[in-house]
Amino acid sequence: AQKITQTQPGMFVQEKEAVTLDCTYDTSDPSYGLFWYKQPSSGEMIFLIYQGSYDQQNATEGRYSLNFQKARKSANLVISASQLGDSAMYFCAMPPPRDSSYKLIFGSGTRLLVRP
Amino acid sequence: GAGVSQSPRYKVAKRGQDVALRCDPISGHVSLFWYQQALGQGPEFLTYFQNEAQLDKSGLPSDRFFAERPEGSVSTLKIQRTQQEDSAVYLCASSLGRVANTEAFFGQGTRLTVV
Repeated sequence: AQKITQTQPGMFVQEKEAVTLDCTYDTSDPSYGLFWYKQPSSGEMIFLIYQGSYDQQNATEGRYSLNFQKARKSANLVISASQLGDSAMYFCAMPPPRDSSYKLIFGSGTRLLVRP
Repeated sequence: GAGVSQSPRYKVAKRGQDVALRCDPISGHVSLFWYQQALGQGPEFLTYFQNEAQLDKSGLPSDRFFAERPEGSVSTLKIQRTQQEDSAVYLCASSLGRVANTEAFFGQGTRLTVV
């Protein structure tokens, strides 16, 4: 069965520094995608970045980048130059195996707090 | 507004009461999803609509949960005879296409508390 593991319940980072949020996964699918979402205190899930398993390069979107290590089954999110507005919950997610990608299995999340 | 709108934002229900949660997706979005998020956990899939067709309801926890999208736009999630374990945030999301969760836009959720 699909499994997403986020081992850091909470993280602190100093403003303007970089932070890495961990995500490991287990899947039997040869082809899959990995997603990261941000959930601020207002509640909505905001899509940040996507990595396909066959993508040759690690995904980047502005200050967000993925450290994708396929052999280790990890897809860690790196946030550079942290801002106070980055304080939120962060979730890693992927679709179930051999299933349409219309639904996602989420990890338990990491709460990030950016210190001024 | 341009985003996914959910109402009410907060709902307190007495155990055994029926509740209805509403989701207004982004206009023109074909796909609509409901997720349940317990406190301190990630969201869990409940059900999926493509237009008015409910193509997947495998995540609904019991037959007390029912969702509909009769005209392919607004959706309602109904919970009958609420129990304390139903307390959670219920998130709705919509996307333009059938696939690609990268295009899914989430609402702010309805926080349901069953007392």
